[in-house]
Amino acid sequence: GENVEQHPSTLSVQEGDSAVIKCTYSDSASNYFPWYKQELGKRPQLIIDIRSNVGEKKDQRIAVTLNKTAKHFSLHITETQPEDSAVYFCAATTSGTYKYIFGTGTRLKVLA
Amino acid sequence: DVKVTQSSRYLVKRTGEKVFLECVQDMDHENMFWYRQDPGLGLRLIYFSYDVKMKEKGDIPEGYSVSREKKERFSLILESASTNQTSMYLCASSLEGYTGELFFGEGSRLTVL
Repeated sequence: GENVEQHPSTLSVQEGDSAVIKCTYSDSASNYFPWYKQELGKRPQLIIDIRSNVGEKKDQRIAVTLNKTAKHFSLHITETQPEDSAVYFCAATTSGTYKYIFGTGTRLKVLA
Repeated sequence: DVKVTQSSRYLVKRTGEKVFLECVQDMDHENMFWYRQDPGLGLRLIYFSYDVKMKEKGDIPEGYSVSREKKERFSLILESASTNQTSMYLCASSLEGYTGELFFGEGSRLTVL
């Protein structure tokens, strides 16, 4: 069946360094790829998303890149700050369906 | 401000008890979802509803049922709770016909003893 693999499962970086989280999807029909951030004890919240007609999208310190040929997409966080510490989930879905396939999550720790 | 509210943040139940988890959204969204979140497994879809009284099974529906009598309210029911249903349950909603953001509730952590 369809799946999304996410790596790494945990990531520790020094404050100010960059962090990269990668996801690979299996369904070539997928065309929408959101990233959610879940702080401890809080709800997952959308931080950035990308659609398949775009290769890269940026929002301040956060960027997402998409390689449709290789079927993978990545989250890039630059100049990390302690408040970036959270669990990050990637997901993939296809327009017109309800099925969002989530990755298994990455726990990011930003060390001060 | 967008709001998805789950009625209980923490519940402790005994094996065999019937459990109701309720979710209410105030955004007039057509789509509502119940996910289960377990460490190392991510979010897995239990049930989905795209309209009042309409429902579809997700990836892990066994042992669960749902009810959607009103547009704003989506309930998850465990008919006879078992210890392997100890988990975090997340409700979400989204607009119909638009593939975009899922709005999540804060979650209900269920422990079955």
